[in-house]
Amino acid sequence: QSALTQPRSVSGSPGQSVTISCTGTSSDVGGYNYVSWYQQHPDKAPKLIIYDLSKRPSGVPDRFSGSKSGNTASLTISGLQAEDEADYYCCSYAGSYTILFGGGTKLTVL
Amino acid sequence: QVQLQESGPGLVKPSQTLSLTCSVSGASIGSGGYYWSWIRQHPGKGLEWIGYIFDSVSSYYNLSLKSRVTISIDTSKNQFSLKLSSVTAADTAVYYCAREPTLWGAVDVWGQGITVIVSS
Repeated sequence: QSALTQPRSVSGSPGQSVTISCTGTSSDVGGYNYVSWYQQHPDKAPKLIIYDLSKRPSGVPDRFSGSKSGNTASLTISGLQAEDEADYYCCSYAGSYTILFGGGTKLTVL
Repeated sequence: QVQLQESGPGLVKPSQTLSLTCSVSGASIGSGGYYWSWIRQHPGKGLEWIGYIFDSVSSYYNLSLKSRVTISIDTSKNQFSLKLSSVTAADTAVYYCAREPTLWGAVDVWGQGITVIVSS
């Protein structure tokens, strides 16, 4: 199974909103509402920011939101802040006890 | 607070077996209810799910690695382990151990990661 497809990079200015897409197939993203998103700062372990498509773990600001349309999931970050600059990875259940990650997107806050 | 810590050799020779251990603190791995996972990240690249184990006996692996991977649990030591056989330079990566409350891929606790280099 191939990795999920994400844009290599996105950027935005402080206060703006950005959306990161994550495209899979009907066997993974499109077939389940089990998409999660991770934020990873340099030399740090990833941090869960969205799970089950649109739920936020405790402590994650509501500036982060998740959604899906067809085989594409999206992470939207509103009110961009400097500390949001990081790599973002999507992840989807792909059936039969299989997990797929996306290739990652580098977010630059201008 | 649950914490995970990877340990093992940072350098492995080609064709040998990579062996890593994840020590769990703040929770009893034997109490069940969680998927204990291994995930890796190649240098400058994205994340790759390796596999997970549930309830000490049920393990599931990435199909691309399945023939070389074994994940096991030692409840007496509150640890779980990864063995990856016949390694090549392509297995050079940061290896993370992790915990998932469900099998859907939502990792709520990560280890700090351990760098493993495959080289002679």
